[in-house]
Amino acid sequence: DAGVTQSPTHLIKTRGQQVTLRCSPKSGHDTVSWYQQALGQGPQFIFQYYEEEERQRGNFPDRFSGHQFPNYSSELNVNALLLGDSALYLCASSLATGNVRDEQFFGPGTRLTVL
Amino acid sequence: DAKTTQPPSMDCAEGRAANLPCNHSTISGNEYVYWYRQIHSQGPQYIIHGLKNNETNEMASLIITEDRKSSTLILPHATLRDTAVYYCIVRVLLSGGYQKVTFGTGTKLQVIP
Repeated sequence: DAGVTQSPTHLIKTRGQQVTLRCSPKSGHDTVSWYQQALGQGPQFIFQYYEEEERQRGNFPDRFSGHQFPNYSSELNVNALLLGDSALYLCASSLATGNVRDEQFFGPGTRLTVL
Repeated sequence: DAKTTQPPSMDCAEGRAANLPCNHSTISGNEYVYWYRQIHSQGPQYIIHGLKNNETNEMASLIITEDRKSSTLILPHATLRDTAVYYCIVRVLLSGGYQKVTFGTGTKLQVIP
C-alpha cells in the first residue's frame, strides 16, 4: 500500500518563474492538504482540497493555487516565484469522514530552491 | 485551533524515557491533542492522539492532565532514531470533516548515546 508520494524531490527555479508540484495521496484517501515549511520552522498550512475544490486556505497570497483531480491527486502551483518561497513543500492526505480521529499522512516533501 | 507551547529543545540519554511537555491552556472541549514528529528533512509522522484519557500505542504514551490544559508525550526507551522535532498540535474538527493541522515550532529532541 503506497503512502503519500510527491514529485519532484528537489527543484531549483529562478525568481519570477512558475512551478508545479505534484502529490498522490495514500490509497483510500480523498483529501489533500499542502503545507510550506521554511528552514527551522514548523509547517504552515497553505490550503486543502476535497472533491476537487479548495475547502480551506491559510494565509498565503493568490500566487499559490492548486488543483485536485478526479483520482484525488493534487497539484500546487506557485507563480511569480520569490526568494522567500524557498522551502520544503509538504503534501498530506486524509479521509474526509468527519472524524477528527483520522490522522493525516504526510509525504516526504519537495525541496524548492528559488535563486 | 488552540495555541500550544513547547520547550524549543530537550536532551535525553539513550535508553531512558523522554518526557516531552506541551501546554494548551486554551483548548476547548471538542479539540483533540495530537503529536507528530519530523525527522530531519522528512515529512511529519503521526505518533499518537487523545481527547482526555491517557493513550498508549507501540510508539509512545500520551498523558493529558485532568483539566486538559497540558499534556506529556512519553517515549519509554529513547533510541538515537528518536532524535527529531516533536510537534504538539491541538486540532479542531471543521465542518464537513475537513482537517487542518496548525503546527507550532515544536521541541527538538536530541537523544544522546
